[in-house]
Amino acid sequence: ETGVTQSPTHLIKTRGQQVTLRCSSQSGHNTVSWYQQALGQGPQFIFQYYREEENGRGNFPPRFSGLQFPNYSSELNVNALELDDSALYLCASSAGLAGGPGELFFGEGSRLTVL
Amino acid sequence: QKEVEQNSGPLSVPEGAIASLNCTYSDRGSQSFFWYRQYSGKSPELIMFIYSNGDKEDGRFTAQLNKASQYVSLLIRDSQPSDSATYLCAVRGGQNFVFGPGTRLSVLP
Repeated sequence: ETGVTQSPTHLIKTRGQQVTLRCSSQSGHNTVSWYQQALGQGPQFIFQYYREEENGRGNFPPRFSGLQFPNYSSELNVNALELDDSALYLCASSAGLAGGPGELFFGEGSRLTVL
Repeated sequence: QKEVEQNSGPLSVPEGAIASLNCTYSDRGSQSFFWYRQYSGKSPELIMFIYSNGDKEDGRFTAQLNKASQYVSLLIRDSQPSDSATYLCAVRGGQNFVFGPGTRLSVLP
C-alpha cells in the first residue's frame, strides 16, 4: 500500500511569487485535504477535494486554490505569496464520504519559506 | 467558530508514568475525535480515534470521550522517551477536521 507523498519537501520563494505543491493520495483514497501548519500551531484546514470537486473550504483567501485529478492526486496553488504564508503544508488523504470515521493520513509535508 | 483547545504544555512526566492529555471542543455536533502524534519536523501520524462516549484502548493508549462535557482525553501508560512529541487533538464535524494547537509531551528518562 502506497502512502501519501508530497513534493517538493522544502522550497524557498520570495514575496509576490507563486507556488504549486503536489500530493499523491494513499492507494484506495478518493479524498484529499490540504492543511497549513504554522510553527507552534495545529494544522489549519485550507480545502478538501472529493472526486475532482472542491468539497469544503476553510478561512483562506482565493489566492489559495487547488485541483484534484482523475487519479485522485492533487495540487495546491498559492498566488501572490506573503511572508505569513511561510508554513508546513500538509496533504492528507482519506476514504472520503463512504462513512466511518474518515481518519486523515498525512504526507510528510512541504515546508515553504517566503522571504 | 468551531474551536478545539488543548494545554500547550510542555507536559513533563518521568519514564514509566502515565501521561494524561486533555482536549475540549466547542461544536456539540462533532462526530468523531482523533489523536495524532507529531514529532518535531515531521507530519502528524494517527494514534487512534473515538466516536462513542466512554473509553477505547489500544495498547498503551486509552482515549476517553465525554460528549456531554465536550471533553476528550488521551492516556499514555508506561510512558517512554520515544513518546516525547506534540499530541494533536482533532475533531470532525461533517467533512472538516478542526485541530487543536497541540500539547508538547516530554518523557524524562
